[in-house]
Amino acid sequence: EIVMTQSPATLSVSPGERATLSCRASQSVRSNLAWYQQKPGQAPRLLIYGASTRATGIPARFSGSGSGTEFTLTISSLQSEDSAVYYCQQYDNWPRGTFGQGTKLEIK
Amino acid sequence: EVQLLESGGGLVQPGGSLRLSCAASGFTFSTYAVSWVRQAPGKGLEWVSTISGSGATTYSADSVRGRFTISRDNSKNTLYLQMNSLRAEDTAVYYCAKDRDLGEAFDYWGQGTLVTVSS
Repeated sequence: EIVMTQSPATLSVSPGERATLSCRASQSVRSNLAWYQQKPGQAPRLLIYGASTRATGIPARFSGSGSGTEFTLTISSLQSEDSAVYYCQQYDNWPRGTFGQGTKLEIK
Repeated sequence: EVQLLESGGGLVQPGGSLRLSCAASGFTFSTYAVSWVRQAPGKGLEWVSTISGSGATTYSADSVRGRFTISRDNSKNTLYLQMNSLRAEDTAVYYCAKDRDLGEAFDYWGQGTLVTVSS
């Protein structure tokens, strides 16, 4: 099983600043990496797929980068509505995709 | 507009059974693989099972293999999860999710249905 590890577990950032979330795979997943946003009581929402392609309707302040085993989600100019838990998921061995444990993003 | 609407969750005793449904609309259901993903209370996301667009091929996580069965009825645009021999550790919100494309990420999710396994 491919293990996905996210860091940090919790991140606190002020509005207007930039947040950088990391995700590491236990083996190469090429660019088969997605990021999801989940707010309390809601289903996850796809933000990024293919490591760097924004999903439909996702604002340009969300960007993804990386390949192989190291990936980053960057949220520039944070807004209050960005407060959520963010999960990475590898789907290189689809359908047995595995998720990271999540990063909780708090807006100060 | 793509919509996925789960139903069938509830409280069940250990060893019991439950059948979840997911009604899909807004896309050509038979064209896409669909999956079940669960989330235990306060925990992260866990892939459970996937079925191909035609229904001919299914995949399941080791944790549920032999107990859970995924199926679909393309004439009714509906996905199912038959859950047998339920355990306390199966307690979770169960989401249905649509693949963006074959072998791809999940681009749409339902709102989830809560399954509680407890005596």
